[in-house]
Amino acid sequence: DSGVTQTPKHLITATGQRVTLRCSPRSGDLSVYWYQQSLDQGLQFLIQYYNGEERAKGNILERFSAQQFPDLHSELNLSSLELGDSALYFCASSTSTGSWVEQFFGPGTRLTVL
Amino acid sequence: QKEVEQDPGPLSVPEGAIVSLNCTYSNSAFQYFMWYRQYSRKGPELLMYTYSSGNKEDGRFTAQVDKSSKYISLFIRDSQPSDSATYLCAMDSGGSNYKLTFGKGTLLTVNP
Repeated sequence: DSGVTQTPKHLITATGQRVTLRCSPRSGDLSVYWYQQSLDQGLQFLIQYYNGEERAKGNILERFSAQQFPDLHSELNLSSLELGDSALYFCASSTSTGSWVEQFFGPGTRLTVL
Repeated sequence: QKEVEQDPGPLSVPEGAIVSLNCTYSNSAFQYFMWYRQYSRKGPELLMYTYSSGNKEDGRFTAQVDKSSKYISLFIRDSQPSDSATYLCAMDSGGSNYKLTFGKGTLLTVNP
């Protein structure tokens, strides 16, 4: 168990809908990273937050947004969902910013868009 | 051409075999080269990382980087059934802007 928690584990929704994925980082970690893993694209970095501020952006679509709250948990919002958004969404956390060495991944949220 | 290419496999080997997993890349700015292991229904975990060219060994695992050929490898000696997982390579330029780029992963099965 990495100490990173993600809810829900599974999510099934329809095209055009909006969903929110939640991530709680490990105790003491200030950075949160979001990734998308699909069969087509593999694992892709979406966005990173450090202590409430956006720090880095990857291949995140404009329909997607994220935020990190004062208690350091983070939410990834996906809107106007398309079939192609079906994927595993991982959250990871680390103590410092931009550190993949000490980054720990959560178990993921499996999103299915029908 | 994708920045990082990795043969998705699947790769099936008998227990005790030497396994070779490989990735190629096109971005010469990459300086850090990582290998992640991902068990089924789990998040990836960092297995090893290497800075620039050269070899790094950790127990049964050896990572090699050849920057001149833009080619990285992970070797697993005396493979065990517990090594069965998807292995992802990843790369980073090491600049101030964090942007880890992953290969699609190779599914490895080690048969007892």
